[in-house]
Amino acid sequence: DSGVTQTPKHLITATGQRVTLRCSPRSGDLSVYWYQQSLDQGLQFLIQYYNGEERAKGNILERFSAQQFPDLHSELNLSSLELGDSALYFCASSLVENNSPLHFGNGTRLTVT
Amino acid sequence: EDQVTQSPEALRLQEGESSSLNCSYTVSGLRGLFWYRQDPGKGPEFLFTLYSAGEEKEKERLKATLTKKESFLHITAPKPEDSATYLCAVQAEPVKRRQNFVFGPGTRLSVLP
Repeated sequence: DSGVTQTPKHLITATGQRVTLRCSPRSGDLSVYWYQQSLDQGLQFLIQYYNGEERAKGNILERFSAQQFPDLHSELNLSSLELGDSALYFCASSLVENNSPLHFGNGTRLTVT
Repeated sequence: EDQVTQSPEALRLQEGESSSLNCSYTVSGLRGLFWYRQDPGKGPEFLFTLYSAGEEKEKERLKATLTKKESFLHITAPKPEDSATYLCAVQAEPVKRRQNFVFGPGTRLSVLP
């Protein structure tokens, strides 16, 4: 158990809808990362937060947004969903930004029908 | 731009047949090189961190080594339960607005009984 909690585990929704994925980092970790992994694909970096501040953005669509709250949990909001958004969404956390590994949750599997 | 490549893309071994996976990287200001194991449908599981050339880490049948340009994950006498995708990642010096944790595409390992 990595200590990173993601909810929900599974989400099935229709095209055009909006969903929110939630991540609770390991206790004490300040940095949160979001990744997307489509079937048999590599990890695509979406966005990173450090202690509430957005630090870096990757290939994140304008329909997607995220934030990290004062208690350090994070939410990823996906709107106007398309079939191609179906994927596993992983959250990872690390103690600091430097010299520390990422620890991953078990992901939220999103299916858009 | 920071980059990570991994070879081979896929590897099939017989149980007990030792081999090595390669991770080549270019990064400005290496802060660490990380190995992960990912099982299908699960989040990557952290295995090792290597910080400087010449460093080695071991865990059961796995041994990771680091040079200035690449890292190797040696698997000695593998068992079927070692079958997974192995991911390599580098952590660069944190610079605002730049992704500092870059993953390779992974090597898919199958160990046949």
